[in-house]
Amino acid sequence: EPEVTQTPSHQVTQMGQEVILRCVPISNHLYFYWYRQILGQKVEFLVSFYNNEISEKSEIFDDQFSVERPDGSNFTLKIRSTKLEDSAMYFCASSPSGTADTIYFGEGSWLTVV
Amino acid sequence: GIQVEQSPPDLILQEGANSTLRCNFSDSVNNLQWFHQNPWGQLINLFYIPSGTKQNGRLSATTVATERYSLLYISSSQTTDSGVYFCAVGGGWGKLQFGAGTQVVVTP
Repeated sequence: EPEVTQTPSHQVTQMGQEVILRCVPISNHLYFYWYRQILGQKVEFLVSFYNNEISEKSEIFDDQFSVERPDGSNFTLKIRSTKLEDSAMYFCASSPSGTADTIYFGEGSWLTVV
Repeated sequence: GIQVEQSPPDLILQEGANSTLRCNFSDSVNNLQWFHQNPWGQLINLFYIPSGTKQNGRLSATTVATERYSLLYISSSQTTDSGVYFCAVGGGWGKLQFGAGTQVVVTP
């Protein structure tokens, strides 16, 4: 079964550093997402992306965050200047369409900011 | 936004027991998914079930969209069923609202 793949699986970074999390969505999917989960809390929506632009973003997704689809297969989340509170599991997800369809999640990237 | 409430928050089961997890949501949805988060943090898709009933092995799920709830049934539980079960709902464009989850511990 096709999978959403994410790299790295775990990254430790110093506060203030830039981080890029990478994702390869399922190949025929058109909608891409980032979610995050702070340890012990619920999974939260960050941003959705379609046709090379952001279609929706949450309040969490401020100017420190950006997303990009640099080529036909990768989808990235950049955090410009990490803060301690950015420590979380970040999930990439994709779906064939943006409405009534299964959303498939990757295995996640643990980000630890020290 | 849509509110999602899951119950119970915690569940301890002996191996072989059956259980029911519930998800209530506050508005009409066109997407409802159940996930199992394993101890390594991975979110495993269990069901896409905005309405109706589905079964997959020992797991089954039912969503009554008109009454805004969904149920996940675990039968003959095994220790590998341990983890957190999340219900997530969406009204459109892939933005899922997750519940707080049900922590399930299955003891041998």
